[in-house]
Amino acid sequence: AQSVAQPEDQVNVAEGNPLTVKCTYSVSGNPYLFWYVQYPNRGLQFLLKYITGDNLVKGSYGFEAEFNKSQTSFHLKKPSALVSDSALYFCAVRDPNRDDKIIFGKGTRLHILP
Amino acid sequence: IAGITQAPTSQILAAGRRMTLRCTQDMRHNAMYWYRQDLGLGLRLIHYSNTAGTTGKGEVPDGYSVSRANTDDFPLTLASAVPSQTSVYFCASSARGFDPYNEQFFGPGTRLTVL
Repeated sequence: AQSVAQPEDQVNVAEGNPLTVKCTYSVSGNPYLFWYVQYPNRGLQFLLKYITGDNLVKGSYGFEAEFNKSQTSFHLKKPSALVSDSALYFCAVRDPNRDDKIIFGKGTRLHILP
Repeated sequence: IAGITQAPTSQILAAGRRMTLRCTQDMRHNAMYWYRQDLGLGLRLIHYSNTAGTTGKGEVPDGYSVSRANTDDFPLTLASAVPSQTSVYFCASSARGFDPYNEQFFGPGTRLTVL
C-alpha cells in the first residue's frame, strides 16, 4: 500500500539558516510526490511536485525538494529560512499504478526563530 | 476568481443532527475531494469525485455521503453527526481527468464541532 511518512512533528530553525523538512514514501511504482504548506486557519497551498526528470525540483517561495529514489525520500529544503516560512508542511504521494488518490503525511510544523 | 469556497466557516452541531457542508469551485476542475484534518493524523480523504456524476470512497468514508450533480458543487453530508466527526473539513479540486500530475487546490475549511 502506498504511504508517506514525515518523521518529525516539529522542526526549529534560526532565521537565515538552511532548513530541511523530511519525507519518505512507499509506493509500488514510480511515485508522484508533492509538498503543500498550510498557514494558520487556511487551506493547504501547493508548493512543488516531482513527476519525472531532474531530481531537484524548485517551487514557490524559494523552496526546493530533492527526489532520492534509492532512499525513497523527498525532503523539502530552503537555503535561507524566513520567519514567514513558519507553517505546517505536508508531503503527499500518489502511486500512478494504483488509483488516483493522494496520500498525505501527518505534517511537520516548521518554526523559524527570529 | 474565488477558487474554492466552503460554507459554513464553522458550525456547532448537536449529535444526531444532519449537516451538509457545501463546497463550490469556479475553476472548472474535473476532480473534487473532501478531507478531514485532525491533530496528529494529518489529512485523511473522505470521498472524492473524478468527474461530475461519479463519486468514490476514500480512507474514512463511514458516516459521510457526497454527491456530484455538476462540475462546480460537491456537498458533503453527515446523516447523523457523532462527536468523533468533530474536525476541520477541507474541500479540494484538481484539473485532472486521467492526468494524475496536477496539484490540488484547497478551500479555506469548515470547522465542525459535534456535541
